[in-house]
Amino acid sequence: GQQVMQIPQYQHVQEGEDFTTYCNSSTTLSNIQWYKQRPGGHPVFLIQLVKSGEVKKQKRLTFQFGEAKKNSSLHITATQTTDVGTYFCAGASGNTGKLIFGQGTTLQVKP
Amino acid sequence: DGGITQSPKYLFRKEGQNVTLSCEQNLNHDAMYWYRQDPGQGLRLIYYSQIVNDFQKGDIAEGYSVSREKKESFPLTVTSAQKNPTAFYLCASSTLAGGYGYTFGSGTRLTVV
Repeated sequence: GQQVMQIPQYQHVQEGEDFTTYCNSSTTLSNIQWYKQRPGGHPVFLIQLVKSGEVKKQKRLTFQFGEAKKNSSLHITATQTTDVGTYFCAGASGNTGKLIFGQGTTLQVKP
Repeated sequence: DGGITQSPKYLFRKEGQNVTLSCEQNLNHDAMYWYRQDPGQGLRLIYYSQIVNDFQKGDIAEGYSVSREKKESFPLTVTSAQKNPTAFYLCASSTLAGGYGYTFGSGTRLTVV
């Protein structure tokens, strides 16, 4: 079945350093979504990418969707302590709306 | 305020008992989902429903059951057949195409004692 792999599993950075998490799917995706889960909380939708090669920015966050629509990345510039949490990518294939989540990358930021 | 509500927040179950987790949404979303979250394993899909009175198994449906009698409600029953039920359970809803992402509830933490 479809699998979505995400690396790294954990990342510890000093505040101000950059951070990147990568997501790879075993199949071509119709879209990919990114979520953030704060410690003790629930996942919150960040963004959806649909087009091949698409790049979207939200302040210090940059999201990319690969040309083959099988991989994606999230890059955070100059991390802050408020960025702490687990970032999940989730891929959809077809038009069912059903998402397969990656394992997540847990980000720790040292002040 | 539109949203999705899960209850209870914490639930303790004795081995051999069935328990039902509640999930209600007032977002007028057609699709609803149940995920299980374990440390280091991300979110795994248990069941999903795209229309009332219809639902499909996800990747880990064994030991679970659901119903979708109303658009707003998608309760999950964890049966005694589920061998390792201790986990964090998340309910979510979305439009059918999912273009605006999933809205998640705050989750139910189930512990078997």
